[in-house]
Amino acid sequence: SQQGEEDPQALSIQEGENATMNCSYKTSINNLQWYRQNSGRGLVHLILIRSNEREKHSGRLRVTLDTSKKSSSLLITASRAADTASYFCATAPGGSQGNLIFGKGTKLSVKP
Amino acid sequence: NAGVTQTPKFRVLKTGQSMTLLCAQDMNHEYMYWYRQDPGMGLRLIHYSVGEGTTAKGEVPDGYNVSRLKKQNFLLGLESAAPSQTSVYFCASRELIVDTQYFGPGTRLTVL
Repeated sequence: SQQGEEDPQALSIQEGENATMNCSYKTSINNLQWYRQNSGRGLVHLILIRSNEREKHSGRLRVTLDTSKKSSSLLITASRAADTASYFCATAPGGSQGNLIFGKGTKLSVKP
Repeated sequence: NAGVTQTPKFRVLKTGQSMTLLCAQDMNHEYMYWYRQDPGMGLRLIHYSVGEGTTAKGEVPDGYNVSRLKKQNFLLGLESAAPSQTSVYFCASRELIVDTQYFGPGTRLTVL
């Protein structure tokens, strides 16, 4: 089945640096969402970007969407140790009743 | 609000045993979902429900059954557990017109 693929699989940075994660997908979508998962916990919604939007901001998060390239990026600015988590993109394909298809995630480690 | 809760948090079964996982949400959400997450993988949809009394198959439904007798509860059953069903199971819910999903804390199931 169609699936978002995140890149890189793992990312290690120092506190204060920016972290960029990418997501590619295969078919047309209604929206794309990013979720965070702390170790051993459930997923928490971060941000949703609709197919007719190109960029969206929420606090230290910036998401871009390029539907022509079927790709999205998540930028976390001025990272903190508390940002250490796995980040997943999830796509809502057209006609899917809002069902999401998740990628395998990017594991982000922010070192103090 | 408790949000989405899952019972139990951990369970160990022997091959062939049966069990039911309970998901409850207090947000009056129409849609509910069951996912499984395996190491290094994103979430895969098992079954979902678009309202009380309805259920539908997701990407990996084999070996599982579900029921949604009450709007706030979504049950996932394993009739005859197999080692391949060792996983972490997540429940999620969402409103009718909002695509954001809210996740429970997960149930870690081991089948020996």
